Amino acid sequence: QVQLQDSGPGLVKPSETLSLTCSVSGGSISSSDYYWGWIRQSPGQGLEWIGSIYYSGNIYYNPSLKSRLTISADTSKNQFSLQLRSVTAADTAVYYCVRRMAAVKSYFDYWGQGTLVTVSS
Amino acid sequence: IQMTQSPSSLSASVGDRVTITCRASQSISNFLNWYQQKPGKAPKLLIYAAFSLQSGVPSRFSGSGSGTDFTLTITNLQPEDFATYYCQQSYSVLYTFGQGTKLDIK
Repeated sequence: QVQLQDSGPGLVKPSETLSLTCSVSGGSISSSDYYWGWIRQSPGQGLEWIGSIYYSGNIYYNPSLKSRLTISADTSKNQFSLQLRSVTAADTAVYYCVRRMAAVKSYFDYWGQGTLVTVSS
Repeated sequence: IQMTQSPSSLSASVGDRVTITCRASQSISNFLNWYQQKPGKAPKLLIYAAFSLQSGVPSRFSGSGSGTDFTLTITNLQPEDFATYYCQQSYSVLYTFGQGTKLDIK
Protein backbone atom coordinates (compact mmCIF):
# COMPACT_ATOMS: atom_id res chain seq x y z
CA GLN A 1 0.00 0.00 0.00
CA VAL A 2 1.43 3.34 -1.07
CA GLN A 3 1.68 5.96 1.63
CA LEU A 4 2.69 9.59 1.34
CA GLN A 5 3.76 11.46 4.46
CA ASP A 6 4.20 15.20 4.13
CA SER A 7 6.12 17.17 6.72
CA GLY A 8 7.42 20.65 7.40
CA PRO A 9 6.99 23.76 9.53
CA GLY A 10 3.43 24.84 10.22
CA LEU A 11 4.36 28.52 10.54
CA VAL A 12 6.38 30.60 8.10
CA LYS A 13 7.08 34.33 8.27
CA PRO A 14 6.13 36.60 5.37
CA SER A 15 8.87 36.96 2.73
CA GLU A 16 10.55 33.74 3.88
CA THR A 17 10.65 30.32 2.21
CA LEU A 18 8.11 27.57 2.76
CA SER A 19 9.75 24.13 2.65
CA LEU A 20 7.92 20.81 2.73
CA THR A 21 9.05 17.23 2.20
CA CYS A 22 7.02 14.19 1.21
CA SER A 23 8.27 10.73 2.15
CA VAL A 24 6.94 7.88 0.04
CA SER A 25 6.58 4.29 1.23
CA GLY A 26 5.19 1.28 -0.59
CA GLY A 27 6.30 2.61 -3.96
CA SER A 28 9.25 4.19 -5.71
CA ILE A 29 9.44 7.77 -6.92
CA SER A 30 11.80 6.41 -9.60
CA SER A 31 8.92 4.57 -11.26
CA SER A 32 8.04 5.66 -14.79
CA ASP A 33 4.35 5.04 -14.02
CA TYR A 34 3.83 8.10 -11.83
CA TYR A 35 4.41 11.79 -11.29
CA TRP A 36 4.87 13.15 -7.77
CA GLY A 37 3.74 16.59 -6.78
CA TRP A 38 1.87 19.06 -4.63
CA ILE A 39 -1.62 20.49 -4.33
CA ARG A 40 -2.76 23.11 -1.85
CA GLN A 41 -6.14 24.00 -0.44
CA SER A 42 -7.17 27.31 1.04
CA PRO A 43 -10.63 28.66 1.85
CA GLY A 44 -10.27 31.42 -0.68
CA GLN A 45 -8.75 29.52 -3.59
CA GLY A 46 -10.09 26.02 -3.14
CA LEU A 47 -7.88 23.22 -4.48
CA GLU A 48 -4.90 24.46 -6.49
CA TRP A 49 -2.41 22.31 -8.35
CA ILE A 50 1.14 23.48 -7.59
CA GLY A 51 3.41 21.26 -9.65
CA SER A 52 4.79 17.79 -10.38
CA ILE A 53 8.11 16.01 -10.90
CA TYR A 54 8.77 12.91 -13.00
CA TYR A 55 11.45 10.26 -12.54
CA SER A 56 13.23 11.58 -15.64
CA GLY A 57 13.70 14.93 -13.94
CA ASN A 58 10.99 16.71 -15.93
CA ILE A 59 9.21 19.22 -13.72
CA TYR A 60 5.89 20.99 -14.33
CA TYR A 61 4.89 24.11 -12.43
CA ASN A 62 1.70 26.08 -12.12
CA PRO A 63 2.54 29.27 -14.07
CA SER A 64 1.04 31.41 -11.32
CA LEU A 65 3.66 30.12 -8.86
CA LYS A 66 6.55 29.24 -11.15
CA SER A 67 8.74 32.26 -10.37
CA ARG A 68 8.78 31.37 -6.65
CA LEU A 69 8.70 27.61 -6.81
CA THR A 70 11.15 24.71 -6.79
CA ILE A 71 10.16 21.05 -6.72
CA SER A 72 12.94 18.50 -6.34
CA ALA A 73 13.41 14.82 -5.60
CA ASP A 74 15.87 12.69 -3.66
CA THR A 75 15.61 9.17 -5.03
CA SER A 76 18.05 7.79 -2.44
CA LYS A 77 15.57 8.73 0.29
CA ASN A 78 12.45 8.17 -1.83
CA GLN A 79 11.36 11.71 -1.04
CA PHE A 80 10.41 14.81 -2.95
CA SER A 81 10.26 18.40 -1.78
CA LEU A 82 8.62 21.76 -2.30
CA GLN A 83 10.15 25.18 -1.78
CA LEU A 84 8.03 28.28 -2.19
CA ARG A 85 9.91 31.54 -1.81
CA SER A 86 8.80 35.01 -0.74
CA VAL A 87 5.58 33.80 0.83
CA THR A 88 2.68 36.03 1.77
CA ALA A 89 -0.54 35.47 3.69
CA ALA A 90 -2.11 34.32 0.41
CA ASP A 91 0.10 31.22 0.59
CA THR A 92 -1.55 30.10 3.82
CA ALA A 93 -3.13 26.73 3.02
CA VAL A 94 -3.13 23.01 3.64
CA TYR A 95 -0.44 21.53 1.40
CA TYR A 96 -0.85 17.96 0.15
CA CYS A 97 1.72 15.81 -1.56
CA VAL A 98 0.18 13.63 -4.24
CA ARG A 99 0.85 10.87 -6.72
CA ARG A 100 -0.42 11.27 -10.27
CA MET A 101 -0.75 8.54 -12.83
CA ALA A 102 1.54 8.97 -15.85
CA ALA A 103 -1.33 8.28 -18.21
CA VAL A 104 -3.09 10.21 -20.93
CA LYS A 105 -6.16 10.50 -18.70
CA SER A 106 -4.34 11.30 -15.50
CA TYR A 107 -5.64 11.52 -11.94
CA PHE A 108 -4.37 11.95 -8.38
CA ASP A 109 -4.78 8.58 -6.72
CA TYR A 110 -2.77 8.91 -3.52
CA TRP A 111 -2.58 11.92 -1.22
CA GLY A 112 -0.60 12.72 1.90
CA GLN A 113 -2.45 13.68 5.05
CA GLY A 114 -1.82 17.38 4.46
CA THR A 115 0.22 19.99 6.32
CA LEU A 116 -1.37 23.27 7.36
CA VAL A 117 1.07 26.08 6.68
CA THR A 118 0.26 29.49 8.09
CA VAL A 119 2.14 32.54 6.86
CA SER A 120 2.28 35.04 9.68
CA SER A 121 4.78 37.14 11.56
CA ILE B 1 -9.72 25.65 -17.94
CA GLN B 2 -12.36 26.74 -15.43
CA MET B 3 -14.48 24.09 -13.74
CA THR B 4 -17.88 25.07 -12.32
CA GLN B 5 -19.89 22.79 -10.07
CA SER B 6 -23.54 22.98 -9.19
CA PRO B 7 -25.07 23.13 -6.76
CA SER B 8 -22.59 24.50 -4.23
CA SER B 9 -24.46 22.70 -1.49
CA LEU B 10 -27.09 20.02 -1.35
CA SER B 11 -29.17 18.45 1.40
CA ALA B 12 -30.37 14.88 1.10
CA SER B 13 -31.47 11.91 3.18
CA VAL B 14 -30.06 8.43 3.60
CA GLY B 15 -31.34 6.29 0.74
CA ASP B 16 -31.75 9.22 -1.67
CA ARG B 17 -30.30 9.54 -5.15
CA VAL B 18 -28.32 12.72 -5.79
CA THR B 19 -26.65 14.23 -8.83
CA ILE B 20 -23.85 16.78 -8.88
CA THR B 21 -22.97 18.63 -12.06
CA CYS B 22 -19.61 19.88 -13.28
CA ARG B 23 -19.16 22.11 -16.32
CA ALA B 24 -15.87 22.88 -18.05
CA SER B 25 -15.18 26.22 -19.73
CA GLN B 26 -14.07 24.35 -22.86
CA SER B 27 -14.34 20.82 -24.15
CA ILE B 28 -12.21 18.38 -22.18
CA SER B 29 -13.38 15.14 -23.82
CA ASN B 30 -13.66 12.77 -20.85
CA PHE B 31 -10.58 14.00 -19.00
CA LEU B 32 -12.60 14.45 -15.82
CA ASN B 33 -12.11 13.07 -12.31
CA TRP B 34 -14.22 13.16 -9.16
CA TYR B 35 -13.04 13.28 -5.56
CA GLN B 36 -14.69 13.03 -2.15
CA GLN B 37 -13.36 14.98 0.82
CA LYS B 38 -14.37 14.65 4.46
CA PRO B 39 -13.51 17.28 7.08
CA GLY B 40 -9.86 17.25 8.08
CA LYS B 41 -8.97 14.63 5.47
CA ALA B 42 -7.34 14.63 2.08
CA PRO B 43 -9.53 14.24 -1.00
CA LYS B 44 -10.12 10.67 -2.14
CA LEU B 45 -10.36 9.65 -5.79
CA LEU B 46 -13.76 8.21 -6.68
CA ILE B 47 -14.01 8.27 -10.46
CA TYR B 48 -11.48 8.90 -13.21
CA ALA B 49 -11.84 9.48 -16.95
CA ALA B 50 -15.44 10.57 -16.40
CA PHE B 51 -16.95 7.18 -15.64
CA SER B 52 -14.28 4.69 -14.46
CA LEU B 53 -14.75 3.70 -10.83
CA GLN B 54 -11.57 3.72 -8.75
CA SER B 55 -10.77 0.40 -7.10
CA GLY B 56 -12.54 -0.02 -3.78
CA VAL B 57 -15.16 2.65 -4.41
CA PRO B 58 -18.75 1.43 -3.97
CA SER B 59 -20.81 0.93 -7.11
CA ARG B 60 -23.46 3.37 -5.89
CA PHE B 61 -21.12 6.06 -7.24
CA SER B 62 -21.21 6.64 -10.98
CA GLY B 63 -20.04 9.28 -13.40
CA SER B 64 -21.08 10.32 -16.86
CA GLY B 65 -20.57 13.02 -19.43
CA SER B 66 -18.21 14.17 -22.13
CA GLY B 67 -17.15 17.45 -23.68
CA THR B 68 -18.11 20.19 -21.24
CA ASP B 69 -20.86 18.68 -19.07
CA PHE B 70 -20.39 15.95 -16.48
CA THR B 71 -22.36 14.43 -13.63
CA LEU B 72 -21.60 12.46 -10.50
CA THR B 73 -24.51 10.38 -9.29
CA ILE B 74 -24.80 8.70 -5.92
CA THR B 75 -27.64 6.24 -5.49
CA ASN B 76 -28.90 4.90 -2.17
CA LEU B 77 -27.01 7.51 -0.12
CA GLN B 78 -25.24 6.12 2.91
CA PRO B 79 -24.28 8.04 6.08
CA GLU B 80 -20.59 7.92 5.10
CA ASP B 81 -21.35 9.69 1.79
CA PHE B 82 -22.05 13.06 3.38
CA ALA B 83 -18.97 15.02 2.37
CA THR B 84 -17.72 17.57 -0.15
CA TYR B 85 -17.25 16.50 -3.76
CA TYR B 86 -14.87 18.02 -6.31
CA CYS B 87 -14.43 17.59 -10.02
CA GLN B 88 -11.00 18.03 -11.64
CA GLN B 89 -9.94 18.22 -15.27
CA SER B 90 -6.80 16.57 -16.61
CA TYR B 91 -7.18 17.75 -20.23
CA SER B 92 -4.74 20.60 -19.63
CA VAL B 93 -1.49 20.08 -17.74
CA LEU B 94 -2.57 23.06 -15.66
CA TYR B 95 -4.91 20.85 -13.65
CA THR B 96 -7.91 22.65 -12.19
CA PHE B 97 -10.66 21.75 -9.76
CA GLY B 98 -14.25 22.77 -9.30
CA GLN B 99 -15.14 24.81 -6.24
CA GLY B 100 -16.81 21.86 -4.54
CA THR B 101 -20.31 20.64 -3.68
CA LYS B 102 -21.07 20.08 -0.02
CA LEU B 103 -23.55 17.26 0.55
CA ASP B 104 -25.12 17.25 3.97
CA ILE B 105 -27.88 15.45 5.76
CA LYS B 106 -31.40 16.85 5.43
